[in-house]
Amino acid sequence: AQSVTQLGSHVSVSEGALVLLRCNYSSSVPPYLFWYVQYPNQGLQLLLKYTSAATLVKGINGFEAEFKKSETSFHLTKPSAHMSDAAEYFCAVSTNTGNQFYFGTGTSLTVIP
Amino acid sequence: DGGITQSPKYLFRKEGQNVTLSCEQNLNHDAMYWYRQDPGQGLRLIYYSQIVNDFQKGDIAEGYSVSREKKESFPLTVTSAQKNPTAFYLCASSKEGRATNEKLFFGSGTQLSVL
Repeated sequence: AQSVTQLGSHVSVSEGALVLLRCNYSSSVPPYLFWYVQYPNQGLQLLLKYTSAATLVKGINGFEAEFKKSETSFHLTKPSAHMSDAAEYFCAVSTNTGNQFYFGTGTSLTVIP
Repeated sequence: DGGITQSPKYLFRKEGQNVTLSCEQNLNHDAMYWYRQDPGQGLRLIYYSQIVNDFQKGDIAEGYSVSREKKESFPLTVTSAQKNPTAFYLCASSKEGRATNEKLFFGSGTQLSVL
């Protein structure tokens, strides 16, 4: 079975500061990992995904994430936060042996001007 | 433009009433999913369908029902057996019939509230 843990349900950063959102996964087989972003009252949009190619994955809006197998982590980062980054972020996992995507509980990012 | 359309955006349910949430996609995707979103709990899978005329229960299927008679449509019925239906409901689809490395495409959601 697969699962995802997102540490920190709320994260606040100052505009221009580093954004770090944490995601740890559990999987008995090689995982596929995703980060999605959700703006208020909207559906989720894909930021980036890891599918066993390069361990450092670059996504949209300047976000990137690094797959670390030894730490079972897939943390999301952005060097400089922008006001428009304020949203809910979800980490998700799937595998080629399963039928489902498993989502974390989400991290709400607040950007302070 | 291709995408997923959910309707209505807001829905109110009276005690003992069944309500149906609509989800339509024109992406020609095989798989479709229904998720329930509650504050602090993330997305929980209600039902999913990998192909027309077939669907499977997710983690919280009790009190819900679905049908998949057409590839583009996957309506969700919230029955009176669902005692706590107030939530934000999200429909999604993916190209493949299995949840592999394909991304999910999401609709804009339906907020269901109890009167």
